[in-house]
Amino acid sequence: EDQVTQSPEALRLQEGESSSLNCSYTVSGLRGLFWYRQDPGKGPEFLFTLYSAGEEKEKERLKATLTKKESFLHITAPKPEDSATYLCAALMNTGFQKLVFGTGTRLLVSP
Amino acid sequence: NAGVTQTPKFQVLKTGQSMTLQCAQDMNHEYMSWYRQDPGMGLRLIHYSVGAGITDQGEVPNGYNVSRSTTEDFPLRLLSAAPSQTSVYFCASSYSAAAIPGLPFNEQFFGPGTRLTVL
Repeated sequence: EDQVTQSPEALRLQEGESSSLNCSYTVSGLRGLFWYRQDPGKGPEFLFTLYSAGEEKEKERLKATLTKKESFLHITAPKPEDSATYLCAALMNTGFQKLVFGTGTRLLVSP
Repeated sequence: NAGVTQTPKFQVLKTGQSMTLQCAQDMNHEYMSWYRQDPGMGLRLIHYSVGAGITDQGEVPNGYNVSRSTTEDFPLRLLSAAPSQTSVYFCASSYSAAAIPGLPFNEQFFGPGTRLTVL
């Protein structure tokens, strides 16, 4: 069964305290791995797409990496405004966009 | 551009009632989809459309209907609401439906969501 698992469910950091979020996947024919940010009461906002093992992408304090079984979202020196739920999703090996989402990691960064 | 808009933002229904959740995008996107988000289950695909007049079922289609008569609009109809349909519903769109090897993925833009409660 195609599955995406995120850990931890929740993470509390002090401002400036770096950490990583994990997304492990078991899907048949992964075409891509996506990270989204979701603020309370809002829709997910696209962050990154990773297509192959070894690929890395960065945006401000965030860096996403991909291996053959998992992806990490590294947060360097986070700020309170980085507080949100971070979702990852796996793109299946179909001819159209079929995403399997994880349940997310709730990140809270305290000043 | 307004992006992806959804109405209403909140809705309370009684069991057995029907209603339509509205979704519109002004980006001339080919692909539109509906997801529901439930605690502990992540976003799940309900229905999707790869263009006007073309729709198909996603992972959890039962109890929902869709149609796509224009590029801009993709309404989701609940035929006879049930408490199990209490959820937050998100509409999303992207430029292209294709997920072609070697080409960049067209990111999906999500609407703000509709929070539905069925009593």
